[in-house]
Amino acid sequence: DIQMIQSPSSLSASVGDRVTITCRASQGIRNDLAWYQQKLGRAPKRLIYAASSLQSGVPSRFSGSGSGTEFTLTISSLQPEDFATYYCLQYNNYPHMFGQGTKVEIK
Amino acid sequence: QVQLVESGGDVVQPGRSLRLSCAASGFMFNKYGMQWVRQAPGKGLEWLAVIWHDGNHTYYADSVRGRVTISRDNSKNTVYLHINSLRAEDTAVYYCARDAAPIVVVPVAMNYWGQGTLVTVSS
Repeated sequence: DIQMIQSPSSLSASVGDRVTITCRASQGIRNDLAWYQQKLGRAPKRLIYAASSLQSGVPSRFSGSGSGTEFTLTISSLQPEDFATYYCLQYNNYPHMFGQGTKVEIK
Repeated sequence: QVQLVESGGDVVQPGRSLRLSCAASGFMFNKYGMQWVRQAPGKGLEWLAVIWHDGNHTYYADSVRGRVTISRDNSKNTVYLHINSLRAEDTAVYYCARDAAPIVVVPVAMNYWGQGTLVTVSS
């Protein structure tokens, strides 16, 4: 099974900061990676698919990059509504696997 | 619009079984694979299972394989998750989610999620 190592597990940032979250796959997954945002008590929401494609309706401050084994989610200018937990998901093969999550908190 | 509504969550004793349901609407159900994901209290997301649009292929996470069965009834626009021999560590919110693309023959991510149903395993 492909394992996903996500870092950091949490971070504190201020409104307007640039934030970067990383996922590393235990083997190459081409660009079969998605990023999800989850707010407390809510279902996850897809932000990015195919590593770098922005989901319709998602603000352009969110971007994704990477291929193979290294992937990054970047929030260019953190907004109050962005404080949440973020997960990567590899869907290159089954079983799918989520990263452990990154909780983005207010500094 | 796409709607997924889970049901069947309950407080159950260890060792018992439970069937969760997910009723879908707003799209052509028989053209999309469906997946289940769970989240234990205060923990991260755990992918569990997928069933292809025609029901002919199913895949499971190692952690639940042999104890969990995913199935679907395309005439009822419903996908199910049957969990046997429930354990305390199965306590979680269970989400169903839809494949992002129709009639796929390769794995795809999920782009629509239900709001989840809570399963609590306790004596």
